[in-house]
Amino acid sequence: QKEVEQDPGPLSVPEGAIVSLNCTYSNSAFQYFMWYRQYSRKGPELLMYTYSSGNKEDGRFTAQVDKSSKYISLFIRDSQPSDSATYLCAMDSSYKLIFGSGTRLLVRP
Amino acid sequence: DTGVSQNPRHKITKRGQNVTFRCDPISEHNRLYWYRQTLGQGPEFLTYFQNEAQLEKSRLLSDRFSAERPKGSFSTLEIQRTEQGDSAMYLCASSSDRVGEEKLFFGSGTQLSVL
Repeated sequence: QKEVEQDPGPLSVPEGAIVSLNCTYSNSAFQYFMWYRQYSRKGPELLMYTYSSGNKEDGRFTAQVDKSSKYISLFIRDSQPSDSATYLCAMDSSYKLIFGSGTRLLVRP
Repeated sequence: DTGVSQNPRHKITKRGQNVTFRCDPISEHNRLYWYRQTLGQGPEFLTYFQNEAQLEKSRLLSDRFSAERPKGSFSTLEIQRTEQGDSAMYLCASSSDRVGEEKLFFGSGTQLSVL
């Protein structure tokens, strides 16, 4: 079993939909939780960075962490075609990150 | 542009050849990381530098791989006697070690194809 599990998708939604992306993890020592967006043939771009349980909002993006369930989510409101990318969750293990395998998102115009 | 810079962007080589990649981190960052990413997978940790000191190497990093960061600034990753299984995107990232500022910022990667 991987330390971080993420549904690979693809997830296809119409423009304007609310998107929910999720990851589960097994290591209760993780403290920092991140979401990265990766366009094709590009490096990952940091979207959200949260510490411990709770919600964090930034524009159309909301990150949610539930440490008791070992479950994190990223919500995208009013999704746009430009949001079409692979979304990677990541968690810290000391100074290095453990990534999920990524979820491909396609937002249809 | 003050982001993480990687060169070359693409490298095609024949099996058995040596290749070297370069990474220039964000200038004020003293931590530098190398990751490898294959199609459909998330990045996997390879190695980590704090300034010029290489503090950890993953078991993924065989003895054909060597990384250096000679002056605590740019870093190189060399692969000797390349194999087809080395084909992947090699990503470099950097971060600060200040508390609360440990976010990793990635470069665009070097895509390696071993024929």
